[in-house]
Amino acid sequence: DAKTTQPTSMDCAEGRAANLPCNHSTISGNEYVYWYRQIHSQGPQYIIHGLKNNETNEMASLIITEDRKSSTLILPHATLRDTAVYYCIVRVVGGSNYKLTFGKGTLLTVNP
Amino acid sequence: GAVVSQHPSWVICKSGTSVKIECRSLDFQATTMFWYRQFPKQSLMLMATSNEGSKATYEQGVEKDKFLINHASLTLSTLTVTSAHPEDSSFYICSASGQGLVTQYFGPGTRLLVL
Repeated sequence: DAKTTQPTSMDCAEGRAANLPCNHSTISGNEYVYWYRQIHSQGPQYIIHGLKNNETNEMASLIITEDRKSSTLILPHATLRDTAVYYCIVRVVGGSNYKLTFGKGTLLTVNP
Repeated sequence: GAVVSQHPSWVICKSGTSVKIECRSLDFQATTMFWYRQFPKQSLMLMATSNEGSKATYEQGVEKDKFLINHASLTLSTLTVTSAHPEDSSFYICSASGQGLVTQYFGPGTRLLVL
């Protein structure tokens, strides 16, 4: 699976949008971009995923550049409960049983 | 989303004893389950992958005789840490996937402390 690069940490004010970048310049055509987050002392939570089109769900939006070499996860109105480590993971398409490789992620701290 | 539970949520045991951790998929059939380990301030590391009814596939460096994995049904997998030692103290997390699901869904984790 392609490697991803994320900033170590970011801060965001409560109520503002949080934009978390991820670089995946070696992504292959059959690889999706997945985002998970892990709140302290809990298991990771799936947020969103996409192939090449922008995606939106009730939790977040995912913007993937046209060349697919980078993406941005957007939390439109961050709350204190969004403080977590956010992981950007690239993996092959086709079946949910493909393993996920977690990097170090971005620690997002939402401040009051 | 799909719900995965783990039991117990935390466990303390003496060195040399064995500990069993259960992972259950509550609202779907988990054809594949994964076990991860996470040390403090580190990321998740995959230990093994198990398909229902088959032997688990262990990642390089993970001792299969020490970390016994059983996936005998479509809703339950167990991880047994045999002859636990203090260095096995960690946060153990399972995940599960199944037909029709877009990805893996994670349990809440089990914190193991070996004294």
